[in-house]
Amino acid sequence: EVYLVDSGGGLVKPGGSLRLSCAASGFTFSSYSMNWVRQAPGKGLEWVSSISSGSGDIYYADSVKGRFTVSRDNAKNSMYLQMNSLRAEDTAVYYCARDAWDIPFLFDHWGQGTLVTVSS
Amino acid sequence: DIQMTQSPSSLSASVGGRVTITCQASQDISNYLNWYQVKPGKAPKLLIYGASNLETGVPPTFSGSGSGTDFTFTISSLQPEDIATYYCQHYGNLPPAFGPGTKVDIK
Repeated sequence: EVYLVDSGGGLVKPGGSLRLSCAASGFTFSSYSMNWVRQAPGKGLEWVSSISSGSGDIYYADSVKGRFTVSRDNAKNSMYLQMNSLRAEDTAVYYCARDAWDIPFLFDHWGQGTLVTVSS
Repeated sequence: DIQMTQSPSSLSASVGGRVTITCQASQDISNYLNWYQVKPGKAPKLLIYGASNLETGVPPTFSGSGSGTDFTFTISSLQPEDIATYYCQHYGNLPPAFGPGTKVDIK
């Protein structure tokens, strides 16, 4: 069974940094593209970033470009999101999500989410 | 960028009742449309992909239809466990975008 476990969330001051992790199991992690999707309190879902299986293709939403960096370690079955220059509007539950096989942005499995709160 | 809209923003229906949600894309997205179920504190769940294909393990009480710019999601017989917020999402190109969501509860 596919499992995705998000971690690393917490309270951080505006301008601060945080690193999220997504640990995967139950499938061949190195064969799948992965994504981060977030949901601000009381708001809808927003795609944040995508990284291909071999890290050759990386994409970001305009709202985080230049501040967030996605990476992965296929040997550790893990994906990461380094978040710098955090703003209040980055407050959200962050989910990692797997692309379905060979279908970009079809999110067939999700983690349970980790809450990031940006506040002074 | 493609914008997604949904209606209604919320609805109430009786147990066993029929629920219909519509989703509209700002331009033609063919059938590159998914539907997700989101419950508080739970991982979001893919229900429908490619506008009308039922994800493995999802009950057939859920269905989807449409193509181009107009799409429909239906729960044929609402159950208490279906209480959730439902989102449409296009995935044909960058950036993928979600609709604003429809909150479904029991009347």
